[in-house]
Amino acid sequence: GAVVSQHPSWVICKSGTSVKIECRSLDFQATTMFWYRQFPKQSLMLMATSNEGSKATYEQGVEKDKFLINHASLTLSTLTVTSAHPEDSSFYICSARDPSGRAGIDTQYFGPGTRLTVL
Amino acid sequence: DQQVKQNSPSLSVQEGRISILNCDYTNSMFDYFLWYKKYPAEGPTFLISISSIKDKNEDGRFTVFLNKSAKHLSLHIVPSQPGDSAVYFCAANPKGSQGNLIFGKGTKLSVKP
Repeated sequence: GAVVSQHPSWVICKSGTSVKIECRSLDFQATTMFWYRQFPKQSLMLMATSNEGSKATYEQGVEKDKFLINHASLTLSTLTVTSAHPEDSSFYICSARDPSGRAGIDTQYFGPGTRLTVL
Repeated sequence: DQQVKQNSPSLSVQEGRISILNCDYTNSMFDYFLWYKKYPAEGPTFLISISSIKDKNEDGRFTVFLNKSAKHLSLHIVPSQPGDSAVYFCAANPKGSQGNLIFGKGTKLSVKP
């Protein structure tokens, strides 16, 4: 399957600082990337849809000024958690849409996730 | 209101037996369905998909069945192996969407040796 990487895989930061997470599609161009959040023992929660060259579309309840998304190229999207607080601690996962049909359909390939811990 | 439902949060199966994971949906406007597998602290990995115009798709030990009249799909794993222990997510793609999948809450499968 297609490869999507995330960096860093884990990060610990102090409350009030900002943290940037990168998501890269390594072997295909992704015009659309998605950012999810997963709380312990819960399902994936879609935070926003990131389209290359345009503003991200945020899901209801997700603060766009808190979670800044930039999709500057066809292979890179970044999520910046601004002024992080302990309640932002979570597992953040990105995915990239592959419309080329390598899986036989238009599907998403996920990155390995980033564990954020805010002290 | 959840459009994709996985009503069983967990399932335990003996190694070598069949695992059947179920998923129900409420919207007829999905054009295909997918199953993802997720290990703890990792991103989900794509497993298998099925188009809404088909009723079965098979890939090795994994088979997905789609019953459109019942708006139900299931993933069969046979024979089950301990390495299959993971959380399985059912997902649906709305027609005309830009790949914006709708996920179920997941079912945790435990395969016991």
